[in-house]
Amino acid sequence: GAGVSQSPSNKVTEKGKDVELRCDPISGHTALYWYRQSLGQGLEFLIYFQGNSAPDKSGLPSDRFSAERTGGSVSTLTIQRTQQEDSAVYLCASSPLGAPVVADTQYFGPGTRLTVL
Amino acid sequence: LAKTTQPISMDSYEGQEVNITCSHNNIATNDYITWYQQFPSQGPRFIIQGYKTKVTNEVASLFIPADRKSSTLSLPRVSLSDTAVYYCLVGDRGNTDKLIFGTGTRLQVFP
Repeated sequence: GAGVSQSPSNKVTEKGKDVELRCDPISGHTALYWYRQSLGQGLEFLIYFQGNSAPDKSGLPSDRFSAERTGGSVSTLTIQRTQQEDSAVYLCASSPLGAPVVADTQYFGPGTRLTVL
Repeated sequence: LAKTTQPISMDSYEGQEVNITCSHNNIATNDYITWYQQFPSQGPRFIIQGYKTKVTNEVASLFIPADRKSSTLSLPRVSLSDTAVYYCLVGDRGNTDKLIFGTGTRLQVFP
């Protein structure tokens, strides 16, 4: 079956512009996660969804970052007024269980590489 | 907050066995140990998970001593395609504060 897909694969934008990153999780997966990975760094947890609700937004780095999930499926991560330090690969993952679990296998998408000029 | 420590990098040659150890001194009773593999320009991929003793699958083995304060990922007979970053995660079913991948261990396999 299809895995997690993300779009666009690459996004180049100018400082101050807004961007939207999309994630299509594996069908039926209840949990959805967003991470950020800067060059040569590990993954930084941003936000987690259980169904359409986000019980944990603690990882969002600033109020310029927001995310939503609709229909228990597609999720959009929005970054407003982008800054150069927002440049990174944004990874989405989904998992079958409906809880924020480290013990639950996460299936990752290929990521969106965001470059802010 | 769960914390893991792994070597930053390791080198090996094709055909050798590679063991990557992760320290997690503050592991809690309900915590599982999960390893992921990440190739360049790809998202991480689940390799193996365990709670105690030994777990083996078609890709790797995971050794966990009785005190569970560390774990060792064992890759038998590595090939060039095993060159990747390997992450150790420790956590349970309920805490996103343990979703910390860290910088992982960068394994380089040489011919």
